[in-house]
Amino acid sequence: NAGVTQTPKFQVLKTGQSMTLQCAQDMNHNSMYWYRQDPGMGLRLIYYSASEGTTDKGEVPNGYNVSRLNKREFSLRLESAAPSQTSVYFCASTRAGGETQYFGPGTRLLVL
Amino acid sequence: GENVEQHPSTLSVQEGDSAVIKCTYSDSASNYFPWYKQELGKGPQLIIDIRSNVGEKKDQRIAVTLNKTAKHFSLHITETQPEDSAVYFCAASINGYGQNFVFGPGTRLSVLP
Repeated sequence: NAGVTQTPKFQVLKTGQSMTLQCAQDMNHNSMYWYRQDPGMGLRLIYYSASEGTTDKGEVPNGYNVSRLNKREFSLRLESAAPSQTSVYFCASTRAGGETQYFGPGTRLLVL
Repeated sequence: GENVEQHPSTLSVQEGDSAVIKCTYSDSASNYFPWYKQELGKGPQLIIDIRSNVGEKKDQRIAVTLNKTAKHFSLHITETQPEDSAVYFCAASINGYGQNFVFGPGTRLSVLP
């Protein structure tokens, strides 16, 4: 099993450009999450999907949209990137009723 | 809402010594407290967790203690090894639901040979 995979690993954008971060898991997990990690601030939840077909806002959703494409895939879209969105983005998943979050390797995003 | 503080932000220890990282939380409804380890260039990985009905839990060289009254919990690593060098995050959650995990800001642990 690959676990949780994320693409791309690294991306540079100019202010105003758009992009989609991809996440997939092969563990048949129900719930999936998108976090951003900034220095000194830990991990902050952007959006989550408790189950296929549902999505909800987390702590810092502004400027982002998500799509739960199917049970395996959960994408994060930046419609108009801003320098404040420079961060490392992690996708995670949990099984139904589970507490352990399994994280992907992260996407490092730089917005100029 | 929940607020989780974590100290220290950086910690250097000699190989073989012990390391202690402390976290405090604000919401008395929180009842699940995991610790994650993040190695360089990787995503966080769960290393140990504790629930509010337990005061201490051990797993080989790692232990976690919880004081519900004071609302703090700590990670203890004994006989540290170079491979323990990483960033450690604590978190607090109500019932372990991922959508209400609140993470601390992290502690960078360096184990010096």
